[in-house]
Amino acid sequence: EIVLTQSPGTLSLSPGERATLSCRASQSVGGSYLAWYQQKPGQAPRLLIHGASIRATGIPDRFSGSGSGTDFTLTISRLEPEDFAVYYCQQYGSSLWTFGQGTKVEIK
Amino acid sequence: QVQLQESGPGLVKPSETLSLTCTVSGGSISNYYWSWIRQPPGKRLEWIGYIYYSGSTNYNPSLKSRVTISVDTSKNQFSLKLRSVTAADTAVYYCARVQGSFDAWGQGTLVTVSS
Repeated sequence: EIVLTQSPGTLSLSPGERATLSCRASQSVGGSYLAWYQQKPGQAPRLLIHGASIRATGIPDRFSGSGSGTDFTLTISRLEPEDFAVYYCQQYGSSLWTFGQGTKVEIK
Repeated sequence: QVQLQESGPGLVKPSETLSLTCTVSGGSISNYYWSWIRQPPGKRLEWIGYIYYSGSTNYNPSLKSRVTISVDTSKNQFSLKLRSVTAADTAVYYCARVQGSFDAWGQGTLVTVSS
């Protein structure tokens, strides 16, 4: 099983600031099959990034993903009020798909 | 735009079977993989398994002995059965479409296991 560890657990930032979220895998994620999701309270997760760096349909370009192997990053270039939420990474490069524990981006 | 909607009992007794159905609208269930994911209160998301429209499946090994996912293409639905539930199975259950990652999700349904 590939274990995904996200850091930090909580990120306290102000609107307009840059957010950098990390996702580290316990072993290499095949094919860079790594996705990022945003989840707001009481809502289902929303796909932001797939294939480590490909924005999903309709996702603003302030969201970007990078990385390969075991280290991946989600960057939000300038936080908008609607971006404060919990973010999860997920790998689908092995037969057992797994999620990280999440990073909460909160308003400072 | 495809939409997914979970349905089923919100309360299940311990040792019984949890049964949920996901209805797909705005698109065909054919030619896609479909999945169930759950989120226990305050915990991370957990992938349960997926099914191809043709019926082939893949399950999380930790749940494999208790899970069955099936599909009914005539109704544009797929279903989840989880047997012998305990309190640890209390969670919000989501259905989702698979295109590598999960690109469309249902709103989720809370299932509580309690007597």
